[in-house]
Amino acid sequence: GNSVTQMEGPVTLSEEAFLTINCTYTATGYPSLFWYVQYPGEGLQLLLKATKADDKGSNKGFEATYRKETTSFHLEKGSVQVSDSAVYFCALTPSAGGSQGNLIFGKGTKLSVKP
Amino acid sequence: DVKVTQSSRYLVKRTGEKVFLECVQDMDHENMFWYRQDPGLGLRLIYFSYDVKMKEKGDIPEGYSVSREKKERFSLILESASTNQTSMYLCASSFSRILDIQYFGAGTRLSVL
Repeated sequence: GNSVTQMEGPVTLSEEAFLTINCTYTATGYPSLFWYVQYPGEGLQLLLKATKADDKGSNKGFEATYRKETTSFHLEKGSVQVSDSAVYFCALTPSAGGSQGNLIFGKGTKLSVKP
Repeated sequence: DVKVTQSSRYLVKRTGEKVFLECVQDMDHENMFWYRQDPGLGLRLIYFSYDVKMKEKGDIPEGYSVSREKKERFSLILESASTNQTSMYLCASSFSRILDIQYFGAGTRLSVL
């Protein structure tokens, strides 16, 4: 079946540190891949997405590249800020089958950035 | 601006009560979704709807039902609330079913005592 596995948190970094949150997926065909972010007390919002192999999604200094050969979509940022403290969710939508169009989420990774 | 509004941020109910969680979107989206979010489990899809009066079960529909009488409104119903339904509930909507961004509400934190 379709599934998403992301690194467990919490992750604690100092301001300006480099961030990587690992995400791997299992899916048939060619899923679309997403990173959503949930700031404290808020709902989820889309951070970035990629719809085909080798696509790079980017937004607010975050990047992730769709790697079909390693079934991965790791999130990176070169220099985190305190305002990046949030929970990050990796997700996919299958390209076929009964779940087509539905988001399948990883368990989330909580990031805390200290000043 | 895109807006998905959930009627309550916090709810406290008693075991056995019938509970209604309301969600309204103002973007004329076809698709609406209900998830529950639990620590260590991420988000799990309860029900979704791709049209008015249409509903489909997600991954964990047991103990829940939904209603979509109007395009903009999608209600989640707990027929007889139980303590294991204490959770954060998130509503989302999207324009297109395929490859489209889902927009989320702020969530309703439900406690069943």
